[in-house]
Amino acid sequence: EAGVAQSPRYKIIEKRQSVAFWCNPISGHATLYWYQQILGQGPKLLIQFQNNGVVDDSQLPKDRFSAERLKGVDSTLKIQPAKLEDSAVYLCASSYGTGGPTYEKLFFGSGTQLSVL
Amino acid sequence: DQQVKQNSPSLSVQEGRISILNCDYTNSMFDYFLWYKKYPAEGPTFLISISSIKDKNEDGRFTVFLNKSAKHLSLHIVPSQPGDSAVYFCAARRGLTSGSRLTFGEGTQLTVNP
Repeated sequence: EAGVAQSPRYKIIEKRQSVAFWCNPISGHATLYWYQQILGQGPKLLIQFQNNGVVDDSQLPKDRFSAERLKGVDSTLKIQPAKLEDSAVYLCASSYGTGGPTYEKLFFGSGTQLSVL
Repeated sequence: DQQVKQNSPSLSVQEGRISILNCDYTNSMFDYFLWYKKYPAEGPTFLISISSIKDKNEDGRFTVFLNKSAKHLSLHIVPSQPGDSAVYFCAARRGLTSGSRLTFGEGTQLTVNP
């Protein structure tokens, strides 16, 4: 079974520039998540999709961050304009999303390491 | 508001000995707890979970204990192996519906020395 695919692996930009990350979840997974992991901290949920609808975006800084999930499969996360404090690893995860014990297992991609200079 | 805390940033143990990783939470509404393991340059992978209706769950060398009155859980690894060296994240959620958010702790770096 192919895992969660993310690209790019690394990205270095200057502050005020824009950047986009791409994620392809595991086939058949209805739920897709974007997490931000700042160095020394645990992953923090930015946005959660159920198919192509947003379930939770309460921690997404909507003035600069946006995300979409095209046709309920792939997803992109965009930051515009970037700030120094956005330097982090951006993790995409997916799950079956049916509720119950199978829902508990999030499968993570390897992440995108973003450095904002 | 850090609702899930792992107070030990690092832990070092000898191969073959027991590793005990601790986690505390403040939100009494959490009723499902998970441990994830993360190797460098990889995403976290699910390790083991426990429902609040239980106080222990075991899977091979890994056992998770939950003390609801103390709002504390721990992960025991016996015996520890060098391949267990990784960052371990504790996570918690309210319920298992699709809308429940997973809240992570800061992680503990476990190093198992040969």
